Amino acid sequence: GIQVEQSPPDLILQEGANSTLRCNFSDSVNNLQWFHQNPWGQLINLFYIPSGTKQNGRLSATTVATERYSLLYISSSQTTDSGVYFCAVQGGSEKLVFGKGMKLTVNP
Amino acid sequence: DAGVIQSPRHEVTEMGQEVTLRCKPISGHNSLFWYRQTMMRGLELLIYFNNNVPIDDSGMPEDRFSAKMPNASFSTLKIQPSEPRDSAVYFCASSFAGGSGEQYFGPGTRLTVT
Repeated sequence: GIQVEQSPPDLILQEGANSTLRCNFSDSVNNLQWFHQNPWGQLINLFYIPSGTKQNGRLSATTVATERYSLLYISSSQTTDSGVYFCAVQGGSEKLVFGKGMKLTVNP
Repeated sequence: DAGVIQSPRHEVTEMGQEVTLRCKPISGHNSLFWYRQTMMRGLELLIYFNNNVPIDDSGMPEDRFSAKMPNASFSTLKIQPSEPRDSAVYFCASSFAGGSGEQYFGPGTRLTVT
């Protein structure tokens, strides 16, 4: 089945810093989503981005489907950005395959 | 508009007991998914339904697990008998298969089996 790899696995930042999270996938996909799992365990939709670039406030994402990767950019990070970020893809079915996640800690 | 609703939010039970988790998808969505999150295996799909019909149950661990979707607004995931290794967070998600297919997740049920 399709494989999803995220990097880096962990990241510690000072408030105000920028960061880039990477998601590589092993096959062509119909759907790619980025989620933020907050410290309470809730999975929050950040982006639905099978291709192209989207922006939402301090966050933006780019997926290059032909190169099989996606990037999530966080600018001017805040302590509330802490948590785990997941990339998930759909291949030939509706099933989402998740990466292992990237734990982000933003210190004040 | 209400999101995906799950109940209970927390469940603590003893080994051997039956556990039933419940999910109400977003109104108008026609696909429903059950995922499980553990430290060892991360987030993995257990089963999903489209128009109330089970499509892929290959992720269901064993016969102790069963899922039903009697109508478009309700689904259950049952574990009978429960075992300590079933302890995990169980998420329900829904999507509209005729649209983008973007999935939205409920708050999860944290299950602890002692």
